[in-house]
Amino acid sequence: EPEVTQTPSHQVTQMGQEVILRCVPISNHLYFYWYRQILGQKVEFLVSFYNNEISEKSEIFDDQFSVERPDGSNFTLKIRSTKLEDSAMYFCASSEAPGAGANVLTFGAGSRLTVL
Amino acid sequence: AQSVTQPDIHITVSEGASLELRCNYSYGATPYLFWYVQSPGQGLQLLLKYFSGDTLVQGIKGFEAEFKRSQSSFNLRKPSVHWSDAAEYFCAVAAYSSASKIIFGSGTRLSIRP
Repeated sequence: EPEVTQTPSHQVTQMGQEVILRCVPISNHLYFYWYRQILGQKVEFLVSFYNNEISEKSEIFDDQFSVERPDGSNFTLKIRSTKLEDSAMYFCASSEAPGAGANVLTFGAGSRLTVL
Repeated sequence: AQSVTQPDIHITVSEGASLELRCNYSYGATPYLFWYVQSPGQGLQLLLKYFSGDTLVQGIKGFEAEFKRSQSSFNLRKPSVHWSDAAEYFCAVAAYSSASKIIFGSGTRLSIRP
């Protein structure tokens, strides 16, 4: 069964460092998403991406965050200067068509980020 | 704005017993509703979804959920749980008008007593 793969599975970084989380969405999917889950809290939407641009973002997704599809397979989330509160599990997801309401998102296993 | 409430943080049931996980949502129109499961070290796997039609939906792994508009609920059920069902379960809602956003509940952790 096709799956969304994420690397690294766990990254530890120092506060202020840049972090790039990588995702390989399902090959025929065109819509890509990042969600995060701070330990003990809800899974929260960060951003959606289609046709090489952001289609929707939450208030969490500030100037410290950016997303990119650098080639035909990868989808990355960059945090420019990490803060302690960025420690969380970050989930990538993809879907064939737009609309989380009407279409199924397939989620990856997540990348755990720990900021010290 | 949409929201989802899962009132039970942690539930323990005996293997073979029936299960019901509660979910209440808040949304002004007909929502899209989902249940996801997260096993340790795994991603979020979709168990089932409700978009329209029959209010009792069947999912994978023997799970089902019933949409009750009058109660704003979408409870998840399974007649007989297996030890492998131990996991975190998330109820979620999405708006018809939203291109991307799924709103998740805080999750219910299910433990299975041997």
